[in-house]
Amino acid sequence: ETGVTQTPRHLVMGMTNKKSLKCEQHLGHNAMYWYKQSAKKPLELMFVYSLEERVENNSVPSRFSPECPNSSHLFLHLHTLQPEDSALYLCASSSGLVQNTGELFFGEGSRLTVL
Amino acid sequence: EDQVTQSPEALRLQEGESSSLNCSYTVSGLRGLFWYRQDPGKGPEFLFTLYSAGEEKEKERLKATLTKKESFLHITAPKPEDSATYLCAVHYNNDMRFGAGTRLTVKP
Repeated sequence: ETGVTQTPRHLVMGMTNKKSLKCEQHLGHNAMYWYKQSAKKPLELMFVYSLEERVENNSVPSRFSPECPNSSHLFLHLHTLQPEDSALYLCASSSGLVQNTGELFFGEGSRLTVL
Repeated sequence: EDQVTQSPEALRLQEGESSSLNCSYTVSGLRGLFWYRQDPGKGPEFLFTLYSAGEEKEKERLKATLTKKESFLHITAPKPEDSATYLCAVHYNNDMRFGAGTRLTVKP
């Protein structure tokens, strides 16, 4: 496995379900990110972890809960989502905080549909 | 308000027809501007970083330039495999903001 791997690639869930998105990076990076990508909108930064500590939380609703157990793994726990949460969720990693390096390595994303 | 705006939203070119994509920004304290390429169903892939006005970077048929208010991604003699969405992102102060992207289609 190389790069950044996200699972599942596609997820359909009801508004009352609980599910999780998983991200794993095999690049030896120490910063990981969750972004939300909606059609025709800019990427929205949701969470940033550096050395397994959350360093940024951009006013994301509490129905999204991140977890970073180690520098290689990142989860996004989903609970009681709304239809407007349907989007492509992208995980990314970088060797330092992206503000310093500029280069993010993205996974292929998890396409979430909330019914 | 700090903004990053990309234009056009979509661009259709014939193979070999050169053109440019624009990324304009209204932020203070620019620390870097980044270009990414995103293919359908995939995550963005890093292309370039530009740090100061006047800087240029090249990769194959792509050349990125930067001024104090905007960046251009020039595509010379594009091929169908250059079809993708091109995203720019601006790093300023301690924030990084993406544009909405330009969807490029190159027809054979």
